[in-house]
Amino acid sequence: GESVGLHLPTLSVQEGDNSIINCAYSNSASDYFIWYKQESGKGPQFIIDIRSNMDKRQGQRVTVLLNKTVKHLSLQIAATQPGDSAVYFCAERADDYKLSFGAGTTVTVRA
Amino acid sequence: SQTIHQWPATLVQPVGSPLSLECTVEGTSNPNLYWYRQAAGRGLQLLFYSVGIGQISSEVPQNLSASRPQDRQFILSSKKLLLSDSGFYLCAWGGGSQPQHFGDGTRLSIL
Repeated sequence: GESVGLHLPTLSVQEGDNSIINCAYSNSASDYFIWYKQESGKGPQFIIDIRSNMDKRQGQRVTVLLNKTVKHLSLQIAATQPGDSAVYFCAERADDYKLSFGAGTTVTVRA
Repeated sequence: SQTIHQWPATLVQPVGSPLSLECTVEGTSNPNLYWYRQAAGRGLQLLFYSVGIGQISSEVPQNLSASRPQDRQFILSSKKLLLSDSGFYLCAWGGGSQPQHFGDGTRLSIL
C-alpha cells in the first residue's frame, strides 16, 4: 500500500487566504520529501522539497513544514491565487531511486 | 537548463494494437529515467525506471515494456494494448536525493 497519504482529498479556499495542505507518511526512515503541483492535463511540477534534517523551508509564497515526531508534512501557500488551483501531491523518497506518492489533494480557489 | 519531452500528447489506439511512447531529456547526462501511469483522479503509479543505458527495472507486472537505447531516451512499448492500458503516462528524470522532473504526459485512450 501507499506509505504517503493526504488527510483531505479536496480543499476549497477563498482567494487571498492562506492554504494548508497536509500529508502523513509512515516510513520513519524517510529522509527526503517533495511537494508537487499538477494542473489539469499536465505533468506534476516541482514546488519545494525538504530534507529530514530540517523542519521548515520557505520558497516564494510557499512553506513546507516537516514534523518527524508525528510523521507529518504540510504545504502552506500564502495569499492563494486562482492560479494555485490544482492537485497537490506530496512524495517521499522510498529508496535511492524511487519516490512514493500520495493520492493528492485538489485545491479549488474561490474568487 | 534541463528539459524533458514526451510525445505524442494524446493517442487513441484500438485494442490489440502496438504502442510506442517516447521520452527524451536534454541538458543532463546519465539521468535516472522513469515511466509512471496515472489513472483519472488518482496518484502516480511507477511502471519502470532506468539508471543507465539498457538497464530497466520493472515495478509492476503488466502488458508494457520499457527500453533505454540511448542515455537520454526512454521508450514505453506494448505489443498488444488492452483496455486497461488506458491512462495518462508520464515520463520523469532525476531521483535519488533530488526531485524528479516530469514531462507533460501522454493521454492514451484504448478503444
